[in-house]
Amino acid sequence: GAVVSQHPSWVICKSGTSVKIECRSLDFQATTMFWYRQFPKQSLMLMATSNEGSKATYEQGVEKDKFLINHASLTLSTLTVTSAHPEDSSFYICSARMVTGLAGADTQYFGPGTRLTVL
Amino acid sequence: EDKVVQSPLSLVVHEGDTVTLNCSYEVTNFRSLLWYKQEKKAPTFLFMLTSSGIEKKSGRLSSILDKKELFSILNITATQTGDSAVYLCAGPNFGNEKLTFGTGTRLTIIP
Repeated sequence: GAVVSQHPSWVICKSGTSVKIECRSLDFQATTMFWYRQFPKQSLMLMATSNEGSKATYEQGVEKDKFLINHASLTLSTLTVTSAHPEDSSFYICSARMVTGLAGADTQYFGPGTRLTVL
Repeated sequence: EDKVVQSPLSLVVHEGDTVTLNCSYEVTNFRSLLWYKQEKKAPTFLFMLTSSGIEKKSGRLSSILDKKELFSILNITATQTGDSAVYLCAGPNFGNEKLTFGTGTRLTIIP
């Protein structure tokens, strides 16, 4: 099956530092990836759509200068949380869209998530 | 605006029972419905449904779609404690491919 990896799986950092999270589709190419965050016992919240070779599309209320997204290749998207603060502590999850070429047959596969704790 | 509604919100059953989880949707230009299982980490993919009336099956899990009535069900037979999780259904938006998620059903299996 399709595999999406994330690195690191967890990270602890000091307030004010920047943290980069990688999302890779291991066995398929993904022109589109998505970044979510999830707080305990809450639903996934879409932050942005990452498009290979172009700028990311951010959801309303998500600061693009704080959450920098780069989709440099068909298998890699990165999310950088800049100047992290304790309120940025959360579970960050990416998904990658697998395009099969058949109408209606696209599927999104999720990475295992990255738990960020900002002290 | 796309909408996905799941029921029940939570369900507690004993090991060995069979459960049915429901998902109704209103998605513009519907193409597919996705089911995921989320335990302590990120969601894992279960099924993608595109055609009405065709059951998808994986072990004790099965799912079917009714495009006329705009709903899907996920069945789990002979439940085990490892089935305890939040089950999510989602519809991708035609065009931007964003997933609209239901609120999820939290399933708890009591040994």
